[in-house]
Amino acid sequence: AQSVSQHNHHVILSEAASLELGCNYSYGGTVNLFWYVQYPGQHLQLLLKYFSGDPLVKGIKGFEAEFIKSKFSFNLRKPSVQWSDTAEYFCAVNSMNTGFQKLVFGTGTRLLVSP
Amino acid sequence: NAGVTQTPKFRVLKTGQSMTLLCAQDMNHEYMYWYRQDPGMGLRLIHYSVGEGTTAKGEVPDGYNVSRLKKQNFLLGLESAAPSQTSVYFCASRPLDRVSGRVGYEQYFGPGTRLTVT
Repeated sequence: AQSVSQHNHHVILSEAASLELGCNYSYGGTVNLFWYVQYPGQHLQLLLKYFSGDPLVKGIKGFEAEFIKSKFSFNLRKPSVQWSDTAEYFCAVNSMNTGFQKLVFGTGTRLLVSP
Repeated sequence: NAGVTQTPKFRVLKTGQSMTLLCAQDMNHEYMYWYRQDPGMGLRLIHYSVGEGTTAKGEVPDGYNVSRLKKQNFLLGLESAAPSQTSVYFCASRPLDRVSGRVGYEQYFGPGTRLTVT
């Protein structure tokens, strides 16, 4: 079965530090990749997505992610985090083997940014 | 547009009670989904629907039933609640895939329902 791994469960950073959150998936065929963010007490919002084309994807709030097909990875990055980036971040994948109908989520990374 | 809405926002049940969670979307989306979110486990798919009148099982369907009688609504039922069903439940919807540009794969989420079963 397809799986998504987020190796960092908790990350603590100071403001202005750089961020990189790892995401690896197990499926080798065509995939669509997503990063969602969940601010405290809120629902999931889309940060960015990759369908095809340029593997470096830019999203909202200064986030970007790079799709590296050979490594089955889609890591999320931000050069300088802010206190308001404190949230939980989820990587998600859908793939051709499920007809792109279902998203598989990672277990999430909880980011705490201290002022 | 309200997007995806869920009712109720909070609910406390006793073991064995039943309830229905309602998800509504006003975006004319064909696909709808129910997830549960538990600490350290991310979101897990309970059931989903690819169109009015159709439903399918997800990753963790046991103890839940669903119905999609109208395109805009997707109901999640718990017939006999158990403490293991204490969770936050999210509904999501997605438009039908389009041939060109592969648009439509993004899911839009509702605000969630926090359910506690005692």
